[in-house]
Amino acid sequence: ILNVEQSPQSLHVQEGDSTNFTCSFPSSNFYALHWYRWETAKSPEALFVMTLNGDEKKKGRISATLNTKEGYSYLYIKGSQPEDSATYLCAFPPTGGGGNKLTFGTGTQLKVEL
Amino acid sequence: DTAVSQTPKYLVTQMGNDKSIKCEQNLGHDTMYWYKQDSKKFLKIMFSYNNKELIINETVPNRFSPKSPDKAHLNLHINSLELGDSAVYFCASSQGLLRSEAFFGQGTRLTVV
Repeated sequence: ILNVEQSPQSLHVQEGDSTNFTCSFPSSNFYALHWYRWETAKSPEALFVMTLNGDEKKKGRISATLNTKEGYSYLYIKGSQPEDSATYLCAFPPTGGGGNKLTFGTGTQLKVEL
Repeated sequence: DTAVSQTPKYLVTQMGNDKSIKCEQNLGHDTMYWYKQDSKKFLKIMFSYNNKELIINETVPNRFSPKSPDKAHLNLHINSLELGDSAVYFCASSQGLLRSEAFFGQGTRLTVV
């Protein structure tokens, strides 16, 4: 994997469902992995920054795990609510962090329906 | 207080014009960025500045010239605007080498007619 890949591209769930998405990234020279939430017509907002293999982070009903050896992270949303509808982006600083930039995935667009 | 603020929020201009977008952050961060959201809503890095010094210029046409008068400001000047420059441009800032979160401005929607 040369860049960040996210799946699925989009997801429709019912209110109350739990869901998860995947972010795959190059496992060599890992530095950090970011998750952002991006609502329509707004700017991306950080959810988590993860740096250690095995990291698990939680914010309310949203949690994330990190596997740096195999190069993936999962984002989980428990009991989805309509206000969770947004695009979820993962991003990583390539080349061991020395690049001073974030490379973003194309995102997973989540739609939570009543 | 807005952490990262961009002005203007909307910009409509004619082809060939020169325009600027301003960005200011009040977070005390040492690194600022310009990102472009393309037609597929993909965020792509354009420039990265660290302590007023250009770190990354990601194959952006010379018509785009960033200017950082101080650590808190990173402005984007675009010469001879083209139709293809129409996009949403986001300014962002962070502290250090990206082990801390990036904060984004609200975006500037540029429309070239």
